[in-house]
This record gives sequence, C-alpha cells and structure tokens, in this order.
Amino acid sequence: GEDVEQSLFLSVREGDSSVINCTYTDSSSTYLYWYKQEPGAGLQLLTYIFSNMDMKQDQRLTVLLNKKDKHLSLRIADTQTGDSAIYFCAERESGGYQKVTFGIGTKLQVIP
Amino acid sequence: SQTIHQWPATLVQPVGSPLSLECTVEGTSNPNLYWYRQAAGRGLQLLFYSVGIGQISSEVPQNLSASRPQDRQFILSSKKLLLSDSGFYLCAWSVLRASYNEQFFGPGTRLTVL
Repeated sequence: GEDVEQSLFLSVREGDSSVINCTYTDSSSTYLYWYKQEPGAGLQLLTYIFSNMDMKQDQRLTVLLNKKDKHLSLRIADTQTGDSAIYFCAERESGGYQKVTFGIGTKLQVIP
Repeated sequence: SQTIHQWPATLVQPVGSPLSLECTVEGTSNPNLYWYRQAAGRGLQLLFYSVGIGQISSEVPQNLSASRPQDRQFILSSKKLLLSDSGFYLCAWSVLRASYNEQFFGPGTRLTVL
C-alpha cells in the first residue's frame, strides 16, 4: 500500500532556509503535494508537482522531486515566523479514485 | 466561490454517547467528499470518502460511520463513542479533473471524548 514518511519536527532561525523532506512508496504517483496547516485550522494546499517534473519553484518555495529515490523536498527560502506550521507531504495514486495519502506532518518552528 | 463548513467547531462528549458531525460544501456540484481524523502524533488518517450521494467507502475499520444524504452534505456518526475517537476531524472536498485535484479542507471539529 501507499506510505508517506516525514520527520516530525524542524526548527530554523528566521531568515534561514528550511528544508522539509518526505519519502513515498507509490512509484506510480501522479501528483505530489505539500499542504500547510496552521494551528487549529484545516489544511491548505501550498504547492504541488507533477510526477514528470524534477523541480518547481514558486516565489520562496522550491520543490525537488527525485523519482528514483521516491524523495520529495520542500525548501522555504528566507523563512519567516509566519511560516511556523505543520507541513504535510502527500501523494496521489494513479488508479481508482486517485486517493491522496498524507504523511504524518512536519512541525516547522521558526525562531525569531 | 466554493466554501466548506463544518460544525460544531469543538465538542466534548462522554464515552458511550452518540456523535454526529456535519460538513457541507457550497459553490460546487458533485464533489468528492472526505473525512479525515488527525490524532496527536498520528498524522492525517483518511476515514471515509464519497464520490456521490449514498456512495461511501471506508478506509479503516472503526467505530464510526458516514453518510451522504445530499450531494454537498457529508455526515460522520457514531452510536457509541470510545476514548480513542478523540481527535481533530477534518472534512475535505475535491473535484476530479485531468489536473492536480486539490483537496479543500474545512476548519475542522475538535472532539474530546471523556
């Protein structure tokens, strides 16, 4: 079955870059996502990457995909205190109803 | 524009009591609907999904059930709550297209079973 793994916690200083890593198991995944959850709220899509891409950049966010190693990363440049949140990696399977499997979430703490 | 509502926002219930959480979506038709539970240290677990009225699929065996009486209404229920049912319940919707299929999440319901 599908499985998505992430580290639980990351702490960075304001202004530094943050890198959140994720590994997944389904090699046929079509899309991979990063969602952000602020305290006490639902999740919001931050960015996504199609499986035939290696990199996607969107302002301060850079997503890197290594399909061979089934590794996805999210880099946040110039991390701000407002970036403190839980970040979920997710993969979408190719068949069926295209189920999305989420990781456990990485809590990013930004130190002023 | 599309919006998703969940209520109540917080709920404290005794063990053995029934449960009903409601989720409604506005501004879209025939959405796929999902119930997730987020428990401490366990990430986001998909409980149920629905691709249409009366069509419910369960991802994990549990003490909960779901129903979809209307196109944009999704209800999560239990006849008798357990302590282990405590958690943050999130409803989400999506529309399958030949695209990236973003899921849109509601604000969540914090359930504490005592």
